[in-house]
Amino acid sequence: QVQLQESGPGLVKPSETLSLTCSVSGFSMRSGYYWGWIRQPPGKGLEWIGSLYHSGGPYYGPSLRGRVTISLDTSKNQISLKVTSVTAADTAVYYCARGSVAAGLRHYFDSWGQGTLVTVSS
Amino acid sequence: EIVLTQSPGTLSLSPGERATLSCRASQSVSSSYLAWYQQKPGQAPRLLIYGASTRATGVPDRFIGSGSGTGFTLTIFRLEPEDFAVYHCQQYGNSPWTFGQGTKVELK
Repeated sequence: QVQLQESGPGLVKPSETLSLTCSVSGFSMRSGYYWGWIRQPPGKGLEWIGSLYHSGGPYYGPSLRGRVTISLDTSKNQISLKVTSVTAADTAVYYCARGSVAAGLRHYFDSWGQGTLVTVSS
Repeated sequence: EIVLTQSPGTLSLSPGERATLSCRASQSVSSSYLAWYQQKPGQAPRLLIYGASTRATGVPDRFIGSGSGTGFTLTIFRLEPEDFAVYHCQQYGNSPWTFGQGTKVELK
């Protein structure tokens, strides 16, 4: 059974870079799934950040495009997230998730990590 | 970008009652690429429904997804104590994938 676990600093200063890693166990990231990041600001709804396929490039949602990088290390079974120039608006619980392919790029998220809270504050 | 609006914001019900949750899209969701998730406090979302009406593995049959186009519904028949949670809809037919703001099903 696949398990995902996010890790990284819980506190980041404004204007710095947020870096998170998601370790995947019980499943090979080279299999036919997408891997994505979703975030949830305190008390608010979910927001898709971006996803990538093991053999393709990442694609991102509009809200963080230009500041976000998602990458995959299949040798370590890890997916990483970097968000540059963070502000208080980036404070959220960040989830990594496995995307089950519906068709082409389209996918829904069938397994999620527990999430990690990142606070942006000086 | 497709905006998903969920209603009501909060639903106050008792165990054994039926919950009807709505998810309306600002434009048609192609091929019913719509999912529903359940989220309990302090936990990650859990996939319930995909393709508008297909239950995910292990999801009880009291959860029924329906709808197409711009209107989708999640019905929970005979609420169990463990069903009180927040429910999110997500469309994955048109990038960027978007979520609704959630409906909270609370104990009356």
